[in-house]
Amino acid sequence: AQSVTQLDSQVPVFEEAPVELRCNYSSSVSVYLFWYVQYPNQGLQLLLKYLSGSTLVESINGFEAEFNKSQTSFHLRKPSVHISDTAEYFCAVKGYSSASKIIFGSGTRLSIRP
Amino acid sequence: SAVISQKPSRDICQRGTSLTIQCQVDSQVTMMFWYRQQPGQSLTLIATANQGSEATYESGFVIDKFPISRPNLTFSTLTVSNMSPEDSSIYLCSVEDRQGADEQFFGPGTRLTVL
Repeated sequence: AQSVTQLDSQVPVFEEAPVELRCNYSSSVSVYLFWYVQYPNQGLQLLLKYLSGSTLVESINGFEAEFNKSQTSFHLRKPSVHISDTAEYFCAVKGYSSASKIIFGSGTRLSIRP
Repeated sequence: SAVISQKPSRDICQRGTSLTIQCQVDSQVTMMFWYRQQPGQSLTLIATANQGSEATYESGFVIDKFPISRPNLTFSTLTVSNMSPEDSSIYLCSVEDRQGADEQFFGPGTRLTVL
């Protein structure tokens, strides 16, 4: 079984400041890792994912996440945030098995101050 | 990637009534799921909708309360029965793209308020 811990329920930052949203997971098997974003009053959208290969993955809007196996972490970072990044961010994990279900963290609300 | 639509997008219902939520996908998919997102919380899997057979429910969810239909590979419905205010949530349909290495796509959600 897998579990996901998002250590911060809310992260307030100023516009153009850097941000890191933390995510740790536990699993007895190899996993895929995901970050989903939920903008206000919308459904979830996949932001980025780690499947294999390079441990650093990037999204098209400037976010990146690094898979760290030794620390079982998959923190999300952006060097300079914009007002439009205001959203809820969910870290998720899924085992390699086809029977495995995706498990979501509790979410981190990112609020950007002008 | 799969494009998913849900109807209705939101509804306000009276206690004791039932609401059926529809989920339509623009391509045939093997796996369809229904999630609940209670206010300020993360997503909880309700059940896996199986085409041609009964849905597989997660612990804490039962068919009498959340009957699910899956008549084909592109459509599913979730009914929230005998509603109470505790059922006020966002209900999300999701599909899994096996070709995309098990990536899941989500519908826009149905925001339900029960008075």
